[in-house]
Amino acid sequence: DAKTTQPTSMDCAEGRAANLPCNHSTISGNEYVYWYRQIHSQGPQYIIHGLKNNETNEMASLIITEDRKSSTLILPHATLRDTAVYYCIVSLNYGGSQGNLIFGKGTKLSVKP
Amino acid sequence: GAVVSQHPSWVICKSGTSVKIECRSLDFQATTMFWYRQFPKQSLMLMATSNEGSKATYEQGVEKDKFLINHASLTLSTLTVTSAHPEDSSFYICSASRPIGVRNQPQHFGDGTRLSIL
Repeated sequence: DAKTTQPTSMDCAEGRAANLPCNHSTISGNEYVYWYRQIHSQGPQYIIHGLKNNETNEMASLIITEDRKSSTLILPHATLRDTAVYYCIVSLNYGGSQGNLIFGKGTKLSVKP
Repeated sequence: GAVVSQHPSWVICKSGTSVKIECRSLDFQATTMFWYRQFPKQSLMLMATSNEGSKATYEQGVEKDKFLINHASLTLSTLTVTSAHPEDSSFYICSASRPIGVRNQPQHFGDGTRLSIL
């Protein structure tokens, strides 16, 4: 079973920030938080990951709470192309490479014009 | 960036035939590749972990004699669905991970293969 809990669906207006929450209250000390998204009929796309510090890249920002029991993925300016299912996954990082991924149901984000 | 390529993108075949799906890492060597299956309106389910030069590790409930995995090189893993039946119709997706020791390398996924068995 997935070790994360996400809302089933969310809507966001185009151009606004999309904030996707994820609960991972049973995360262990050596597990990372990874975010992927899946656009319809495609393979998952890696977005970002982190251990305990907040992270930012060209796609998104990841905010991890101090107790690491939850996190938020932020898409700063959502576009229609960001409509997808977003998966929050906790996974071990074996010497730098990712361990097994267990996908939950994710959050279906719909960006509306 | 890292690119994982899957072939074919879709395949339709008759019940009883075997189908081979290829997964290639195009710009990095992958000692480990993963095979997933996704049924309509469901999430991805890990089928097996493919390790270069050794036998694949299958998840519980996945028949290793039906889903043959070969990872003969650092850039290619194949999944063969043997004697496919309509219930094997699904979206098959592979992913690849850089070798252990390369810092902060997440899995990268192919675009999937949609398999339809008539």
